[in-house]
Amino acid sequence: GAVVSQHPSRVICKSGTSVKIECRSLDFQATTMFWYRQFPKKSLMLMATSNEGSKATYEQGVEKDKFLINHASLTLSTLTVTSAHPEDSSFYICSAREGYSNTGELFFGEGSRLTVL
Amino acid sequence: ILNVEQSPQSLHVQEGDSTNFTCSFPSSNFYALHWYRWETAKSPEALFVMTLNGDEKKKGRISATLNTKEGYSYLYIKGSQPEDSATYLCAFRPLGGGFKTIFGAGTRLFVKA
Repeated sequence: GAVVSQHPSRVICKSGTSVKIECRSLDFQATTMFWYRQFPKKSLMLMATSNEGSKATYEQGVEKDKFLINHASLTLSTLTVTSAHPEDSSFYICSAREGYSNTGELFFGEGSRLTVL
Repeated sequence: ILNVEQSPQSLHVQEGDSTNFTCSFPSSNFYALHWYRWETAKSPEALFVMTLNGDEKKKGRISATLNTKEGYSYLYIKGSQPEDSATYLCAFRPLGGGFKTIFGAGTRLFVKA
C-alpha cells in the first residue's frame, strides 16, 4: 500500500525557535496533504489542507503565521512551527490523498511529537 | 460544528471475546464514513470506507455497518486477538466537503491474552 513517511518522530526545542516537520509520500503522488494536531485523549484536529503548488487552506482558529505549510512538490509537504512556545507542544500528524483516488482513503505518516521547553 | 463521537473511549476484553464499538456522526450532509486502525507507534491504516445506508463491510474478523439515516456506524471484532489491540478511529466526510475528513477521538481496544 501507499506509504507516507513523517520526520522527525520526536523533537524537543527551546521556546522561540522554529521547528520543521516533513511529510513525504514514498511511492505515490500526493496531490493533497492534510495536517492534524492531536491533544491528549482528543480527536485528530484538522489544521490545514495543502494542495501541491498552491497556498494551504487553514481551518478556523489556526494561525497561518504560526504554522507555515509548504507543499512544493507532489511528494513533500512541510509544517513549520514558528517561534514555538510551550503551548505548541503537541502531537502533529500528516496524511495524504493519492492523486487520482476518489475513495477519500487517507495514508498517514507516523506522527511527530513536539515538546517545547 | 460537525461532531463525530465514538464510544466507548476504551475497552478491555479477553482473547476470544467478540466486541463492538459505536461511531455517531451528523446524519445530514453525509458523504462517506471511514474506519481506521491505529496501532501504537505506527501510522493509522484504513479499514473500511462506507458510503451507502445499510452498507456492511468485512475484512477477516472485523466488520462494520452503516446507518446514515440515524447517523451511526458499528465496528465489530469477532474473537478478539491480542494483535487487535489498537485505537479504532472513525472519520466522517460531509457532502460538499471535498476530501476534508472529521475524526472521532477513537476507541482504544486492549485485548488480553
